[in-house]
Amino acid sequence: AQKVTQAQTEISVVEKEDVTLDCVYETRDTTYYLFWYKQPPSGELVFLIRRNSFDEQNEISGRYSWNFQKSTSSFNFTITASQVVDSAVYFCALIRGGADGLTFGKGTHLIIQP
Amino acid sequence: EAGVAQSPRYKIIEKRQSVAFWCNPISGHATLYWYQQILGQGPKLLIQFQNNGVVDDSQLPKDRFSAERLKGVDSTLKIQPAKLEDSAVYLCASHRGSGGGAWNEQFFGPGTRLTVL
Repeated sequence: AQKVTQAQTEISVVEKEDVTLDCVYETRDTTYYLFWYKQPPSGELVFLIRRNSFDEQNEISGRYSWNFQKSTSSFNFTITASQVVDSAVYFCALIRGGADGLTFGKGTHLIIQP
Repeated sequence: EAGVAQSPRYKIIEKRQSVAFWCNPISGHATLYWYQQILGQGPKLLIQFQNNGVVDDSQLPKDRFSAERLKGVDSTLKIQPAKLEDSAVYLCASHRGSGGGAWNEQFFGPGTRLTVL
């Protein structure tokens, strides 16, 4: 069985602060894929990033960066210089190589205050 | 490219009534998923289709939930009879891959918010 844990239920920061969202996963599979999705108040899930289990390179995309560490089974997401538009619920998710559905964490509600 | 379409967006029913949701995936996407998202939780997979065949329905409460994907395009999810605990957002997602497509990004629709009174 797979499991994704997002221990931070809600985070509130002031605009321009950096913020890190934690994600810890459990799986017995050697091939798997990790994802981050954003869910704004409108409700639609928006894809942000994916990594496969064989690629531990960190990734940076603008103000967003991701740190994948297999040794600690973590896939953390950092927003640098946060903005009000970053306010949303962020989900970390995992899918095994056998192509069944995504296993999501419970999500972290990020509030960016002006 | 048009996104995943779902209807209705909102539905309110009494317990023990029936309800159906419709999903039209992105054109050409072979794989379609239905997820249930209860308030305050992450989405949970209900069923996965590849073309018009069921790949995984292990988490679908089959005594009351049913789903079909005729002709490998549109899909409907039905609940009969509904219970209070079925109140949730029902999300449809699709991706282009078929077979070994776990890598593919799943595109999500806006969801149907169901309230059971």
